[in-house]
Amino acid sequence: EVKLLESGGGLVQPGGSMRLSCAASGFTFTDFYMYWIRQPAGKAPEWLGFIRNKANGYTTEYNPSVKGRFTISRDNTQNMLYLQMNTLRAEDTATYYCARSGYYDGYPLDYWGQGVMVTVSS
Amino acid sequence: DIQMTQSPASLSASLEEIVTITCQASQDIGNWLSWYQQKPGKSPQLLIYGATSLADGVPSRFSGSRSGTQYSLKISRLQVEDIGIYYCLQAYSAPLTFGSGTKLEIK
Repeated sequence: EVKLLESGGGLVQPGGSMRLSCAASGFTFTDFYMYWIRQPAGKAPEWLGFIRNKANGYTTEYNPSVKGRFTISRDNTQNMLYLQMNTLRAEDTATYYCARSGYYDGYPLDYWGQGVMVTVSS
Repeated sequence: DIQMTQSPASLSASLEEIVTITCQASQDIGNWLSWYQQKPGKSPQLLIYGATSLADGVPSRFSGSRSGTQYSLKISRLQVEDIGIYYCLQAYSAPLTFGSGTKLEIK
């Protein structure tokens, strides 16, 4: 059974940093693209970025809205996905989801984690 | 960026009724379109991918279609468990973009 479990959320001050983790299980982690998506309360989801699979060199793509502040990485020995968030702003307050995609660009997001809340506030 | 214009924003329909939600892409995205259902307090779940293919485990009353740059999600016979918010997502080019959502309620 595919499982994705996010952790690391909470309250952070503006300008601060936070690292989210996503523990993956139930599938061959290195075969799949992994995504981060966020959703402010009551709003539509926003794609943050993804990291490709082993076959595509584990390269990354980011939404310009977070590029340079957010970094996606993966530890393939531990089946872990990470989102490092720096210089956080109030508008980064949202529920953050990790999601699994497929084998190449454009695949749908077939499994999502339950989400973790991040609140940026003083 | 590719804009996905989703309509309607909200929809109230009766049980067993046919429901249609649409997303209009601002440019050609081929079949790189998927639909997601989000129930209250839950994460989004994949319904349709490749514009028309049904995801595993999704009831056959859900279907997707495409006409040019307009994409539609149809629920053939609305059930109580179908309430929630529906989103489209284009994955043709980065940044990937979601539609604004359609909130579906039972009348």
